[in-house]
Amino acid sequence: NAGVMQNPRHLVRRRGQEARLRCSPMKGHSHVYWYRQLPEEGLKFMVYLQKENIIDESGMPKERFSAEFPKEGPSILRIQQVVRGDSAAYFCASSVDRNYGYTFGSGTRLTVV
Amino acid sequence: GEDVEQSLFLSVREGDSSVINCTYTDSSSTYLYWYKQEPGAGLQLLTYIFSNMDMKQDQRLTVLLNKKDKHLSLRIADTQTGDSAIYFCAQGGGSYIPTFGRGTSLIVHP
Repeated sequence: NAGVMQNPRHLVRRRGQEARLRCSPMKGHSHVYWYRQLPEEGLKFMVYLQKENIIDESGMPKERFSAEFPKEGPSILRIQQVVRGDSAAYFCASSVDRNYGYTFGSGTRLTVV
Repeated sequence: GEDVEQSLFLSVREGDSSVINCTYTDSSSTYLYWYKQEPGAGLQLLTYIFSNMDMKQDQRLTVLLNKKDKHLSLRIADTQTGDSAIYFCAQGGGSYIPTFGRGTSLIVHP
């Protein structure tokens, strides 16, 4: 049973380009959470999704960021027109229900040059 | 202020016990977690405690919960160099999105 798979592990984008980060939850998990970790900071919640629904996006910046979790396929975090301040590690976690058992992926480290 | 607070650094000698402390704000949290992050890796769930428990022991790990003071601690007995990592405290469960502290960097030296 594979864990939470995130790809790519490392992503380099020039300012103004788009970044797409993918997360495949563990088998049987229908809850997905995205977090951002800035250098020397903790994890900041961004968005919580269930299949085809955004449940809570209170941590998402209002512009340029979007997330989806389609019926088929991985969850996608999309950042349009990236800026240097978007450089961070982005982690995805999944769970079978919202009470317990958050399993994290290894993260995608985005560098904006 | 932050929902979950931790000290940023802890340095211990190999073989000693490490105690990492955390305070949280949400008294309705159902679960409290400890995660470990090694360099360049994701977060690994180390242990958790239900909010109706005071203590949980799992091999070298002991978690203590003081609900009155909203204080959580993680004790690692016989700390080894392989325990060097960042340890995150998190509150969650129920209707709440898990929120994390900034992490405590544990440095184990010979």
